[in-house]
Amino acid sequence: EAGVTQFPSHSVIEKGQTVTLRCDPISGHDNLYWYRRVMGKEIKFLLHFVKESKQDESGMPNNRFLAERTGGTYSTLKVQPAELEDSGVYFCASSPFPGQGKETQYFGPGTRLLVL
Amino acid sequence: QKEVEQDPGPLSVPEGAIVSLNCTYSNSAFQYFMWYRQYSRKGPELLMYTYSSGNKEDGRFTAQVDKSSKYISLFIRDSQPSDSATYLCAIGYNAGNMLTFGGGTRLMVKP
Repeated sequence: EAGVTQFPSHSVIEKGQTVTLRCDPISGHDNLYWYRRVMGKEIKFLLHFVKESKQDESGMPNNRFLAERTGGTYSTLKVQPAELEDSGVYFCASSPFPGQGKETQYFGPGTRLLVL
Repeated sequence: QKEVEQDPGPLSVPEGAIVSLNCTYSNSAFQYFMWYRQYSRKGPELLMYTYSSGNKEDGRFTAQVDKSSKYISLFIRDSQPSDSATYLCAIGYNAGNMLTFGGGTRLMVKP
């Protein structure tokens, strides 16, 4: 079974530019999550999709961040315009629908974003 | 006060030692408790998952949850150099909801 994949693995951009991160969850997983770890801090939740709907976006830092999940499959996270404080590692995770006995979240390798 | 506290380490032990990793949390509503292992420049890898209180064992790993003390532990028996990584506790309120992470403890197992 293929795991969660993320693209790109690294991205270096200048302040003010736009970056789009992509996540492909494990096949069949309805839940998709975005998390972020900035330097020296713990991993923090950004938002949660159930299929194509945003279930919880309480962790999104501001309106420069836009997440989509077209058709309930892969998801994109766009940062526009990027600021220096957006630098960090962005993780995507997925899990099956709750109640199937496997509520745990499986993480991708992350995208390392550096804003200069 | 952070919702989940975890000693950052580093924790250095000799090969074969028993390792104890711990987290404390502040909200008694948490019900789901997980331990992830993260190697350098990789994503978190799920190690153990526990619902509510009690113990769970899987090979050399044992997870304990004490909800009365709001304290969770991960024990590693017969530690190996390949166990050297950062260990993250993660806690959730309900199945399918967001996880709240501790900052991670860096473990080094020396041959």
